[in-house]
Amino acid sequence: DVKVTQSSRYLVKRTGEKVFLECVQDMDHENMFWYRQDPGLGLRLIYFSYDVKMKEKGDIPEGYSVSREKKERFSLILESASTNQTSMYLCASSLKWGDPSDRADTQYFGPGTRLTVL
Amino acid sequence: GENVEQHPSTLSVQEGDSAVIKCTYSDSASNYFPWYKQELGKRPQLIIDIRSNVGEKKDQRIAVTLNKTAKHFSLHITETQPEDSAVYFCAASPRYKLSFGAGTTVTVRA
Repeated sequence: DVKVTQSSRYLVKRTGEKVFLECVQDMDHENMFWYRQDPGLGLRLIYFSYDVKMKEKGDIPEGYSVSREKKERFSLILESASTNQTSMYLCASSLKWGDPSDRADTQYFGPGTRLTVL
Repeated sequence: GENVEQHPSTLSVQEGDSAVIKCTYSDSASNYFPWYKQELGKRPQLIIDIRSNVGEKKDQRIAVTLNKTAKHFSLHITETQPEDSAVYFCAASPRYKLSFGAGTTVTVRA
């Protein structure tokens, strides 16, 4: 079974703080993703990475950056947290684009981190 | 980019009845359409998916249909049970990344 873990389930930070959210997957997946989930808006893609040190902006990258130094680990960074970044953050991983296996595109999600910025 | 709309936002059904959730997408290049189920307090999990070369796919009580011409796809749950109560998300993928719908909260009444 694919296991995707996130460093914290709940996090409370103050406005202006630098925040690190970490995600680790144990299935040697090439692709990793960061989403935020807000009621009525579904899951919105912040950033994704298709290889070590490679990253691409998603639909809402403003105010965020990412780091992928090792294949299994993908970090989301809030350089200066703001109250409008209070949300549920979900990490996901998938095998590899173009892989012929049936489950190559399936994204496996972590448990989420509920971040509150005060 | 891809835009996915999902309806209804909430759905209440009697146990044993069917539930249908509909999604439309905008990018004709989208070729992969998964459905995720998220139970309260848990992570989203894939329940079924379909690719653009297939019109319908079924797995026990759940089925998905795809109409590429109209750019819409639907999730059908038959003989609903209390454990089907959850939020369901559709998604579409033209390449690399998924674009999700806003979600449908399904409540199965006993």
